[in-house]
Amino acid sequence: DAMVIQNPRYQVTQFGKPVTLSCSQTLNHNVMYWYQQKSSQAPKLLFHYYDKDFNNEADTPDNFQSRRPNTSFCFLDIRSPGLGDAAMYLCATSGASGGYNEQFFGPGTRLTVL
Amino acid sequence: DQQVKQNSPSLSVQEGRISILNCDYTNSMFDYFLWYKKYPAEGPTFLISISSIKDKNEDGRFTVFLNKSAKHLSLHIVPSQPGDSAVYFCAASGDFGNEKLTFGTGTRLTIIP
Repeated sequence: DAMVIQNPRYQVTQFGKPVTLSCSQTLNHNVMYWYQQKSSQAPKLLFHYYDKDFNNEADTPDNFQSRRPNTSFCFLDIRSPGLGDAAMYLCATSGASGGYNEQFFGPGTRLTVL
Repeated sequence: DQQVKQNSPSLSVQEGRISILNCDYTNSMFDYFLWYKKYPAEGPTFLISISSIKDKNEDGRFTVFLNKSAKHLSLHIVPSQPGDSAVYFCAASGDFGNEKLTFGTGTRLTIIP
């Protein structure tokens, strides 16, 4: 089945220790998104790639970076995690086949910062 | 500034009855509206959508209604089933070239057997 995969599902890191979250997709979608979702809040878009074009949201902290080495993979790097970065991180994709408005989400990675 | 609002954090409905989830938005540039369903420990899954040129879209037990003048949409589930218990997110996006989704905070629906 075509899908969006996120690894790991649970990640524990220490305050200030860099961490990388991974997303891969088999949908061959050209757009990939990273969202941050905290408890009882709406998912908040951090940035997205349209093909190789990177689009950062204005209020995304510099602490968050992303890489997309190819169509299938996208990474979220948190350079110096703080306690406030503990959240669920969701990866999503969209493409012409599904209509760009409809995004397909992975299961998320829950990040804990100690 | 929350552009998409779901004012009911939770809703409980008896099995077999109708569930109605509400969503309000403030940005008149939104052109497309979606509902996502989320189970614990899973990502949101697409449920149903509606374009601003329509006022109703139906898919099986799920119907979405859009009232553009009131900037309000609702999701009706009938009949409600225990498997419908989940968090439901309303989301909105703009037209072509501006498909980023803006989400509401979600409504937790509990279906009581």
